[in-house]
Amino acid sequence: QVQLVQSGAEVKKPGASVKVSCKASGYTFTGYYMHWVRQAPGQGLEWMGWINPNPNSGATNYAQKFQGRVSLTRDTSISTAYMELSRLTSDDTAVYYCARDHGGSQAIDFWGQGTLVTVSS
Amino acid sequence: DIQLTQSPSFLSASVGDRVTLTCRASQGISSYLAWYQQKPGKAPKLLIYAASTLQSGVPSRFSGSGSGTEFTLTISSLQPEDFATYYCQQFNSYPLSFGGGTKVEIK
Repeated sequence: QVQLVQSGAEVKKPGASVKVSCKASGYTFTGYYMHWVRQAPGQGLEWMGWINPNPNSGATNYAQKFQGRVSLTRDTSISTAYMELSRLTSDDTAVYYCARDHGGSQAIDFWGQGTLVTVSS
Repeated sequence: DIQLTQSPSFLSASVGDRVTLTCRASQGISSYLAWYQQKPGKAPKLLIYAASTLQSGVPSRFSGSGSGTEFTLTISSLQPEDFATYYCQQFNSYPLSFGGGTKVEIK
């Protein structure tokens, strides 16, 4: 069965960076784009970007809002995707999800359990 | 950027009710729309994609319709486990975007 297991909760100071991991199992990691979506406390969902994990690609697509601050990478040898967000502010306090593209980019069909990132001085 | 507006924001209903949730796009998105269900403290769950295709394993009481700018998610007979927040998401153009959600509560 498809599983996406994310790294644990993080507490960061303003201005710092955070890197969240997402280990995939139960499917061919390199065959499906991986999205990252975040959700601030009590708020809705916000798409951040995707990465194509294919060994011959690694292409990314970021929401303009996060351009220059977010970096999506992957390690195909361990079927793991990463999201790094820099220059954190309190507005970045949120649960961050990795989520597998359904295929054909028409939906997101499997989600990680979420990683809470708290930014506080 | 494409904005998705969901209505109503809150819906109070009883078990067995037929409920219809709406998602309107600020510009045409063909059928590139998905619906998700999210329960407190959990990740979203895919219900519908391509506006009307039921995801595998999702009960048939859920259905989706629409194209262009107006879409609906219908639950034919609300069950206790359906009380949750529902989000739409468009895949027509970047940045991908979500609606603000509809929270379905028990009357």
